[in-house]
Amino acid sequence: EVQLVESGGGLVKPGGSLRVSCVASEFSLNNAWMSWVRQAPGKGLQWVGRISSETEGGRTDYCAPVKGRFSISRDASENTLHLQMNSLKIEDTGVYYCVVGSVRFTDWGQGTMVIVSS
Amino acid sequence: SSELTQDPAVSVALGQTVRITCQGDSLSNYYANWYQQKPGQAPLLVIYNTDNRPSGIPDRFSGSSSGNTASLTITGAQAEDEADYHCNSRDSSGDLVVFGGGTKLTVL
Repeated sequence: EVQLVESGGGLVKPGGSLRVSCVASEFSLNNAWMSWVRQAPGKGLQWVGRISSETEGGRTDYCAPVKGRFSISRDASENTLHLQMNSLKIEDTGVYYCVVGSVRFTDWGQGTMVIVSS
Repeated sequence: SSELTQDPAVSVALGQTVRITCQGDSLSNYYANWYQQKPGQAPLLVIYNTDNRPSGIPDRFSGSSSGNTASLTITGAQAEDEADYHCNSRDSSGDLVVFGGGTKLTVL
């Protein structure tokens, strides 16, 4: 059974940076398309971005609101996915989920909370 | 704003059938997926590629599509089906991913 465990969330000031991570068990992150999906408090889901499998070049795509500020990367040796978030805004507040897939999201972590507030 | 539109809330009597819809131009060309999310939990994929059920999802959940509208139907709704339901698909360009705003289902 695929297990995804996110970490690294917390409180950060507007304009600050934060990196959240996702460790996978019983599953190789290297061989899969992986995405990050977020959910603001009381709101719906929003796709943040994705990284293609290593065999497909590890290409990244991002939604418009985070493009240029967020970056997804993968550490194969640690079987870990990272989301580097820079120039954070209040509207980036929410639970960040690590998910398996590029459009169809088959497995989800439990999420890590990011709060951007002064 | 989302490129996929869902009704914010829908209710259904216990044991009855309910349809939750998701509307958007991209759905004319791309498959829809549906996720169930209960309070405090991560979403769970219940329908993929319009009308396919993952292993372990009860067969009272079904999906369909017509034109630019995808639908999730629950036939014989149970109390445990009370949850938020989210649709997603590709955006109009086909390059990126969008979600609907979600529908809160209440089972009466």
